[in-house]
Amino acid sequence: DAKTTQPTSMDCAEGRAANLPCNHSTISGNEYVYWYRQIHSQGPQYVIHGLKNNETNEMASLIITEDRKSSTLILPHATLRDTAVYYCIVSSGNAGNMLTFGGGTRLMVKP
Amino acid sequence: NAGVMQNPRHLVRRRGQEARLRCSPMKGHSHVYWYRQLPEEGLKFMVYLQKENIIDESGMPKERFSAEFPKEGPSILRIQQVVRGDSAAYFCASSPRGANEKLFFGSGTQLSVL
Repeated sequence: DAKTTQPTSMDCAEGRAANLPCNHSTISGNEYVYWYRQIHSQGPQYVIHGLKNNETNEMASLIITEDRKSSTLILPHATLRDTAVYYCIVSSGNAGNMLTFGGGTRLMVKP
Repeated sequence: NAGVMQNPRHLVRRRGQEARLRCSPMKGHSHVYWYRQLPEEGLKFMVYLQKENIIDESGMPKERFSAEFPKEGPSILRIQQVVRGDSAAYFCASSPRGANEKLFFGSGTQLSVL
């Protein structure tokens, strides 16, 4: 599976949009982009995933560039409860969906 | 519909003892994954199982670690003769089909080896 590069940490003001970037320049055509988050010591929580098109759900939006080499996770109105480590992962699913978690981005939402 | 259930939540073992970690997937899910998270590190894949079959154990240490997912009952991650380096959070996840499906994670078992 392709590797990803994310900033180590980011801050965001409460109520503002949080934009978390991810580079995955070696992504293959059949690999999906997944985002999970882990709130302190809890199990990871699925956020969103996509292949080519932009995706939106009740938690976030995922913007994938046309060449698919990078993506941005957008939390439109960040709250204090969104403080977490956010992991960007690419996976083909062919290996049974064995997601490889990197270091992630530690998002701190501040009042 | 209950989520992924892991127990115990905390497990303390002395060096040389055995640790058994249990994971009950979400109802209807037949794919189970185990991950380990060392302090201040990311999650590392250990093993992927379907009912009665190990599909991929490429992340499992070669010795002392084993996993099973029997036809009936929870998935078990077993660590024999634990050492201090085994101290970590162990997370289980499940999915219904296993291919490009989102994973549902449990709350984890925190193993402490004295």
